[in-house]
Amino acid sequence: DQQVKQNSPSLSVQEGRISILNCDYTNSMFDYFLWYKKYPAEGPTFLISISSIKDKNEDGRFTVFLNKSAKHLSLHIVPSQPGDSAVYFCAAPWGGSQGNLIFGKGTKLSVKP
Amino acid sequence: EPEVTQTPSHQVTQMGQEVILRCVPISNHLYFYWYRQILGQKVEFLVSFYNNEISEKSEIFDDQFSVERPDGSNFTLKIRSTKLEDSAMYFCASSDPTGTLYGYTFGSGTRLTVV
Repeated sequence: DQQVKQNSPSLSVQEGRISILNCDYTNSMFDYFLWYKKYPAEGPTFLISISSIKDKNEDGRFTVFLNKSAKHLSLHIVPSQPGDSAVYFCAAPWGGSQGNLIFGKGTKLSVKP
Repeated sequence: EPEVTQTPSHQVTQMGQEVILRCVPISNHLYFYWYRQILGQKVEFLVSFYNNEISEKSEIFDDQFSVERPDGSNFTLKIRSTKLEDSAMYFCASSDPTGTLYGYTFGSGTRLTVV
């Protein structure tokens, strides 16, 4: 039941460089994708989303790219900052705009000064 | 900024005991959720709640689980007879009618440890 997959459990990046976090999905019925960021001892925090009718959405240092034919999305953070160090989850809602979120396993990003 | 509040932050209980996890969603939100994350695993959906009834539940949400909105502000998750495998972080979330378009707001979670 791995409809949303994040195959890299961890990523280490130097401060100021680009971080690229990847996510694959198997269900072509997903029409919306979200990225969440999670610090230890906190709940997931919404970061950015993208509709399946778009291939890119940008918000400040964060850009999400969607490749529907490859069923792949990626989150780019540029420039990376030490405060970006967290676990990043890709998620897709199932069952409409209030549907339950199906999460990937997460990628732990470490940004080194 | 409005937030979802969960209490307690950590609960230890003996196997077979009942636990109630409490949440105060954002006041103008209408949709409420419980998710859980077993250590090292994915965040998993448990249940969604709208208009005073369950709108969707996962296979995890069996007869041992129940949810309630007893007083118009709190939203609770009850586990009747806890098992060791119920040990996890439990996250409450709420959303306004835009729902996932702008992401749910999650609480900081309750760490449940069943011994």
